[in-house]
Amino acid sequence: GQQVMQIPQYQHVQEGEDFTTYCNSSTTLSNIQWYKQRPGGHPVFLIQLVKSGEVKKQKRLTFQFGEAKKNSSLHITATQTTDVGTYFCALTNTGNQFYFGTGTSLTVIP
Amino acid sequence: DSGVTQTPKHLITATGQRVTLRCSPRSGDLSVYWYQQSLDQGLQFLIQYYNGEERAKGNILERFSAQQFPDLHSELNLSSLELGDSALYFCASSRQGGDQPQHFGDGTRLSIL
Repeated sequence: GQQVMQIPQYQHVQEGEDFTTYCNSSTTLSNIQWYKQRPGGHPVFLIQLVKSGEVKKQKRLTFQFGEAKKNSSLHITATQTTDVGTYFCALTNTGNQFYFGTGTSLTVIP
Repeated sequence: DSGVTQTPKHLITATGQRVTLRCSPRSGDLSVYWYQQSLDQGLQFLIQYYNGEERAKGNILERFSAQQFPDLHSELNLSSLELGDSALYFCASSRQGGDQPQHFGDGTRLSIL
């Protein structure tokens, strides 16, 4: 079955440091989505990547899709306390089943 | 505000009971998804409906069932509840389905005593 590994599981950073989370799939993906869930909140869609090697930026956030379309990364430059939350990658398999990665919980220390 | 409405926000019940969770999707969205989020299992996809029809099924137990009505709202029915069913249940909706972004409701927190 589909496996979506996300690393690290937890990350503590000092405010101003950079942060990266990685998402790895056991199969080739047609696309990948990223979501953010604040503590006590619900997942919120951030972005979708479709093309091999695609890179998209949203202010301090940079999203990348691997050349083989089996992995993706989310990089945050100069973290702020507002970045706190759990970041999930998500994908759809050929059977239309939706899988969320295990998530990376980010804590930003002021 | 995502535009997705879930009721109730909290539900406390006992083992063996049955409950119904309700979801109203964003205006114009045809697809509804149900997820279970617990501390040790992460976010698990349960089932998806598109315009009233079941589109995809994930890790949904036989004790659970769902449906989407003609007005596009959806209900998730959980029966013969067990302690392990305690979790946060999210509903999400999207315009069509498949690879489109999903918009989540605030969830229903279910506690089984």
